[in-house]
Amino acid sequence: EIVLTQFPGTLSLSPGERATLSCRASQSFSGSSLAWYQQKPGQAPRLLIYDASNRATGIPDRFSGSGSGTDFTLTISRLEPEDFAVYYCQQYVSSPLTFGGGTKVEIK
Amino acid sequence: EVQLVESGGGLVSPGGSLRLSCEASGFIFSTYTMNWVRQAPGKGLEWLASISSGGLNADNPDSARGRFAISRDNARNSLYLEMNSLRDDDTAVYYCARGIGDYLVYYFDSWGQGTQVTVSS
Repeated sequence: EIVLTQFPGTLSLSPGERATLSCRASQSFSGSSLAWYQQKPGQAPRLLIYDASNRATGIPDRFSGSGSGTDFTLTISRLEPEDFAVYYCQQYVSSPLTFGGGTKVEIK
Repeated sequence: EVQLVESGGGLVSPGGSLRLSCEASGFIFSTYTMNWVRQAPGKGLEWLASISSGGLNADNPDSARGRFAISRDNARNSLYLEMNSLRDDDTAVYYCARGIGDYLVYYFDSWGQGTQVTVSS
């Protein structure tokens, strides 16, 4: 089973600042089978990024993903008020499909 | 517009059973892998089960195998999760999600709003 570790657990930033979220896999990926999701309180997760760096339909270009091997990053270039949420990474290299524990981006 | 609407959640006693449903619309249901993902209170996301587009292949993590069974009815555009021998730690919001990817490995591009399952005596 591939374990995903997300850090930091909480990121305290102000609107307009840049957010950098990390996701580290316990095994190296041969490919880019990693997705990122955003979840707001009381809502279902929303797909942001797939294949490590491709934005899902309708996702603003301030969201970008990068990485390969064991280390992946989600960057939000300038935080908007609606971006304060919890973010999860998920691998789809192998079964069982696994998620990271999440990073909460909160208003400083 | 893709819509996934879960139902069937509720309060159930430990050891009991429950069947969740997910009704899909806005896309050709029979051509997509479908999945169940859950989230315990204050916790992260946990994949529970996947089923191939035709319903012939299903997959679970070890933690769900034997107690949770996924099925689908393409004629009714519906997905199901049969849950047995429920425990307190099965208390969670259960989401239906559409899968995109290759055999047994998917990401989830559309999610339902979830249905709450509470296991308590």
